[in-house]
Amino acid sequence: SQKIEQNSEALNIQEGKTATLTCNYTNYSPAYLQWYRQDPGRGPVFLLLIRENEKEKRKERLKVTFDTTLKQSLFHITASQPADSATYLCALGVNNNDMRFGAGTRLTVKP
Amino acid sequence: DGGITQSPKYLFRKEGQNVTLSCEQNLNHDAMYWYRQDPGQGLRLIYYSQIVNDFQKGDIAEGYSVSREKKESFPLTVTSAQKNPTAFYLCASSQTGGRAKNIQYFGAGTRLSVL
Repeated sequence: SQKIEQNSEALNIQEGKTATLTCNYTNYSPAYLQWYRQDPGRGPVFLLLIRENEKEKRKERLKVTFDTTLKQSLFHITASQPADSATYLCALGVNNNDMRFGAGTRLTVKP
Repeated sequence: DGGITQSPKYLFRKEGQNVTLSCEQNLNHDAMYWYRQDPGQGLRLIYYSQIVNDFQKGDIAEGYSVSREKKESFPLTVTSAQKNPTAFYLCASSQTGGRAKNIQYFGAGTRLSVL
C-alpha cells in the first residue's frame, strides 16, 4: 500500500542546534516533494519544493534533500530558534496537481 | 493583500443539517482544493477544481459537495450524509502553469464540530 511516514510525531531540540526531519514514502513515484510549515489552528505555509532530478535545495537556514533511490527526503533547519517551533508537513507531488501529505512532525525548539 | 479567505473560523452542525464552508481567493489561481485534516493524519483531499464549472472528487468525497461558479470561489457543503464531519477543513489554491504551479496556498481553515 502507499504510505508517507514522517519520522516522529514530535521532535524536541535545543536552540542553536540543527533540526533534521525525515519523510519516507513507499509505492509512490513523486515528480517533486514539498515541505510546508503549519502553526496551531492555521493553514500550512509553503517552504520549499524539490524536484526528482534535484538532490538538494537551500533557502536561508533551510535545506532539503531528496533521494529517489532511498525514497526519502530530509529537511534541515540550522541554527534553530524557538520561533521555528511548528508542525512541518511533507507533501509528494504524484500527478500534475495531485499532492499527498504526510501527517507531520511537531518540532519544539527550547531556549 | 492577496490570499485565501475561509469562513467561518468555527462552525457547529446539528444532526441532519447541511452546512456550507466558504472559500474565496484573490490570487487569480485557476485551481482550488478542499482538504480535511484529522489529528495524527495527513491532509486528505475531498474535492478539487482546475477550472471554473469543473471539479473532481478526491479521496474522501462521500458526504460532501462543491460548486465552482466563479474563479474566486469554491464553497464546500458538508451534507447530512457525512456521518463523521468533525475535523479541520482547509481550502487551497494554486496556479496551473508556470514554475509555481505545484505550490499550494492555504486559507486559515474552518473547524467544524457536531452538536
